[in-house]
Amino acid sequence: GQNIDQPTEMTATEGAIVQINCTYQTSGFNGLFWYQQHAGEAPTFLSYNVLDGLEEKGRFSSFLSRSKGYSYLLLKELQMKDSASYLCAVMDSNYQLIWGAGTKLIIKP
Amino acid sequence: EAGVTQFPSHSVIEKGQTVTLRCDPISGHDNLYWYRRVMGKEIKFLLHFVKESKQDESGMPNNRFLAERTGGTYSTLKVQPAELEDSGVYFCASSQILKQPGANVLTFGAGSRLTVL
Repeated sequence: GQNIDQPTEMTATEGAIVQINCTYQTSGFNGLFWYQQHAGEAPTFLSYNVLDGLEEKGRFSSFLSRSKGYSYLLLKELQMKDSASYLCAVMDSNYQLIWGAGTKLIIKP
Repeated sequence: EAGVTQFPSHSVIEKGQTVTLRCDPISGHDNLYWYRRVMGKEIKFLLHFVKESKQDESGMPNNRFLAERTGGTYSTLKVQPAELEDSGVYFCASSQILKQPGANVLTFGAGSRLTVL
């Protein structure tokens, strides 16, 4: 079956760095997405990786290793507004998105 | 540009009643998706429209769920009759049709929270 695993919850301190891991097993691979979702709001797109390596976008970076079925989202210089759920999703061979359950990130002052 | 809008934001109904959720995608987005998230679980795919046609409805749980997208613009998702296990947040998302479908970034609506009592 298809499976996406990510930690349920993480806590970090304002100004610090946090890495949210995601491992996946899917039928084919057409890219991996990270979305951010604040409580009661729509998930918003953060990043897309289809090739191995690191994609940097401001304070956020996303890494992919296709051979290991592994990705991480790296958040630097954490701000209180970064408190949210972070969703990992993989597009399979049918171009359907398979979602992880999300990682709730709590930022403490 | 206006985003994906969903209505209602929250609906509370009794078991056996009917509810219709509406999604207005971003103008020009031919792809429209419905997803559902039950509390604490992952987002699950329900179905995918390309314009007015159902491209993939493999995620629809049963025949109590009916989705339509007449005219290829807005879409409705009707649950009739609603059951307790239908409670959750129903998300709609839309995207353009790209030559490289793998880079298909979805824009989500804020979701419609359904509570069935």
